Amino acid sequence: DAKTTQPNSMESNEEEPVHLPCNHSTISGTDYIHWYRQLPSQGPEYVIHGLTSNVNNRMASLAIAEDRKSSTLILHRATLRDAAVYYCILSMEYGNKLVFGAGTILRVKS
Amino acid sequence: GAVVSQHPSRVICKSGTSVKIECRSLDFQATTMFWYRQFPKKSLMLMATSNEGSKATYEQGVEKDKFLINHASLTLSTLTVTSAHPEDSSFYICSARFRGSYNSPLHFGNGTRLTVT
Repeated sequence: DAKTTQPNSMESNEEEPVHLPCNHSTISGTDYIHWYRQLPSQGPEYVIHGLTSNVNNRMASLAIAEDRKSSTLILHRATLRDAAVYYCILSMEYGNKLVFGAGTILRVKS
Repeated sequence: GAVVSQHPSRVICKSGTSVKIECRSLDFQATTMFWYRQFPKKSLMLMATSNEGSKATYEQGVEKDKFLINHASLTLSTLTVTSAHPEDSSFYICSARFRGSYNSPLHFGNGTRLTVT
């Protein structure tokens, strides 16, 4: 499985943007980049995903490097409810399963 | 939006008994569902891929006789933990993907906290 590397934890102030990095240097040409987040004692929640172009939705933006070896999840204005573990995952081309790494614990300060 | 319902949310059972956990996709059909387990302060570990109408595919190191998976319909998969022991205590989470769309998002249930005494 192609592997991702994320910082263990990050901290942000409320109402400020947050940039969560992810490295995936062994990504294959057709692997999608997925981001999920998990609040305590809940199942993960889908945030965003993309292949090559940058993506925006109501929750976040995903910036993908031109060589696709890294990506950044952008939360435009962090709120206390955004405090969670954020997982960057590559989907297998044909296997369609998602294998979670350690993720980044995001703490948001008021 | 798409919803996956998991039941029960919490269960306590005695050592040696079996426990069944249900995972339902409420407003979409799911050819494939996935079962994960998660220990405290750890990431999710994929246990198996549940395929409607066929046998589940288990990840390396997961005992298929211990964790029985049945995917009887396009909206229901069950995980049975057989002869449970305290080390099986964990947070079990299922997920499902809309039928026929291999790169669409996974929708997760809210998990089942299993405690084996």
